[in-house]
Amino acid sequence: DAGVIQSPRHEVTEMGQEVTLRCKPISGHDYLFWYRQTMMRGLELLIYFNNNVPIDDSGMPEDRFSAKMPNASFSTLKIQPSEPRDSAVYFCASSLGRGGYEQYFGPGTRLTVT
Amino acid sequence: GQSLEQPSEVTAVEGAIVQINCTYQTSGFYGLSWYQQHDGGAPTFLSYNALDGLEETGRFSSFLSRSDSYGYLLLQELQMKDSASYFCAVRRGGGSYIPTFGRGTSLIVHP
Repeated sequence: DAGVIQSPRHEVTEMGQEVTLRCKPISGHDYLFWYRQTMMRGLELLIYFNNNVPIDDSGMPEDRFSAKMPNASFSTLKIQPSEPRDSAVYFCASSLGRGGYEQYFGPGTRLTVT
Repeated sequence: GQSLEQPSEVTAVEGAIVQINCTYQTSGFYGLSWYQQHDGGAPTFLSYNALDGLEETGRFSSFLSRSDSYGYLLLQELQMKDSASYFCAVRRGGGSYIPTFGRGTSLIVHP
């Protein structure tokens, strides 16, 4: 299996622009997670899906962030408009079975907003 | 609420044994996971403890004491490649079993 795939790996954009991050989970996994990692705040769970349905989005910072999972093999995290404080590494992870204590992380997208 | 405490940094020499502790406060505790993350890389799953005791996986072992709300990751025969950050993550029950990650411990292995 190719593992969790994320694109792009690096994104540099200007404040106010829309940013879309993409994720393909491991085939057969029924949970998908979006995380953000910064030095200041560590690894934060933004939102997670179970069988393509958003279950908990309480970690999404504000309305500028949105996430979708139109099918079992694809998810997007969108930031519109982007701000410099959104600069971070964004990870997508997937897992099989209830709770996702064993999660498989993608390589991450390093986002820089100038 | 819940909280996890880990040391921010631990140093050791090659070949040695090191223990990384994790204490937690949470309601509805279900289990404790450990992840490794190298600089510039993604977290990778190491182990999971739901019951008290020691779980061994090669050079790495993980321990849990539910009564003490405490766990640790034990790394033996340290190698330079073990230099990384190590995260504990608490999994809670009560409907949302999704783990919450600690701030991580940076392990530096010296030759």
